[in-house]
Amino acid sequence: DTAVSQTPKYLVTQMGNDKSIKCEQNLGHDTMYWYKQDSKKFLKIMFSYNNKELIINETVPNRFSPKSPDKAHLNLHINSLELGDSAVYFCASSQEFSGGAVNEQFFGPGTRLTVL
Amino acid sequence: GQNIDQPTEMTATEGAIVQINCTYQTSGFNGLFWYQQHAGEAPTFLSYNVLDGLEEKGRFSSFLSRSKGYSYLLLKELQMKDSASYLCASLDSNYQLIWGAGTKLIIKP
Repeated sequence: DTAVSQTPKYLVTQMGNDKSIKCEQNLGHDTMYWYKQDSKKFLKIMFSYNNKELIINETVPNRFSPKSPDKAHLNLHINSLELGDSAVYFCASSQEFSGGAVNEQFFGPGTRLTVL
Repeated sequence: GQNIDQPTEMTATEGAIVQINCTYQTSGFNGLFWYQQHAGEAPTFLSYNVLDGLEEKGRFSSFLSRSKGYSYLLLKELQMKDSASYLCASLDSNYQLIWGAGTKLIIKP
């Protein structure tokens, strides 16, 4: 069984479009995350979310928004896509939003987004 | 500011030992993680240190010095499958992981 899954795996779209990436975890974790990994391989946190709070990286444009219908899902919506949005987007989850090894994050397979 | 530094690339020989260093400066500190990422795949957890000292787990060991803001990942008996990027990440006071750019490890026969 896949622990953290994302769809689609590849997404190619035109500039200006709106798209969504779905993420689901079946680990019973309380916290989920979205990361962007660019061509230089830096992993940048975009959002951290549990049932208590949403933490947004202040550098993330408001064109990006997370939507969580329930604890097992955290989808990423992107409006008005730009060329610079091309990257691999990883969803992840962890047991708790706290210190310690319980913060070990389990990653989804990634979604490679290409904006033309 | 928050900063994680690690070498961009290292090369080692199959069967040898390699040490990948990481220095960190973050707002608060709640532990240091090492992840492995094969090309085109997701990062996977290797180790977590929050106390000073060495943690050994099979062929891989991780060391932490909090006073120096320094960690290293030690890989022994290198195998070709160990060719990957190794990411150092510090857990800050807000429990956010601050990631380094990763060290690409190339293993030669």
